[in-house]
Amino acid sequence: SQTIHQWPATLVQPVGSPLSLECTVEGTSNPNLYWYRQAAGRGLQLLFYSVGIGQISSEVPQNLSASRPQDRQFILSSKKLLLSDSGFYLCAWRSRSRHEQFFGPGTRLTVL
Amino acid sequence: LAKTTQPISMDSYEGQEVNITCSHNNIATNDYITWYQQFPSQGPRFIIQGYKTKVTNEVASLFIPADRKSSTLSLPRVSLSDTAVYYCLVGDGPGSSNTGKLIFGQGTTLQVKP
Repeated sequence: SQTIHQWPATLVQPVGSPLSLECTVEGTSNPNLYWYRQAAGRGLQLLFYSVGIGQISSEVPQNLSASRPQDRQFILSSKKLLLSDSGFYLCAWRSRSRHEQFFGPGTRLTVL
Repeated sequence: LAKTTQPISMDSYEGQEVNITCSHNNIATNDYITWYQQFPSQGPRFIIQGYKTKVTNEVASLFIPADRKSSTLSLPRVSLSDTAVYYCLVGDGPGSSNTGKLIFGQGTTLQVKP
């Protein structure tokens, strides 16, 4: 069966510090991968998606970046965090032959 | 990707049937309609997906009229544990040539009362 992992589960970072969130998927190959952010009490905002290794599409301009160094690894990064980067970050994957996305447990990021 | 419109919130009581309607007037020919459920501090969970007419699974039914400009998620006999946010989305269908992008709106917060 397929599983998706995200870490860390929670993170508190000062403004201006770097960020690296990691997401890995097991039990599938060549998945589409997605990063979402959810602000408190809001819906999910698609940040990045990837259809293959090294292929990243950005949905919104921001100080975040994403990378996909391996087929089942998706990384979200920032060089300098802003207060507005606080939120709940979710990674998701999708099989090419199916429509539904499967979400990870999420990372709660607080920027102080 | 088509924009969706759904009620911000709904209240119901245990044991009742709940119908949440979503409008997607600009749905494209190859778009599928998908509903997700989200509990606080968790990622959304897929509930049901359809293209046209009616789809039913063990947790819900999805009704889609012929013009596909709207859809209705039906939850039979809700319980307190069905209290959650429900998202209606339209997006690329299954297949290897699409991105699978899904755009989440605000969703409908369903509150089930005892």
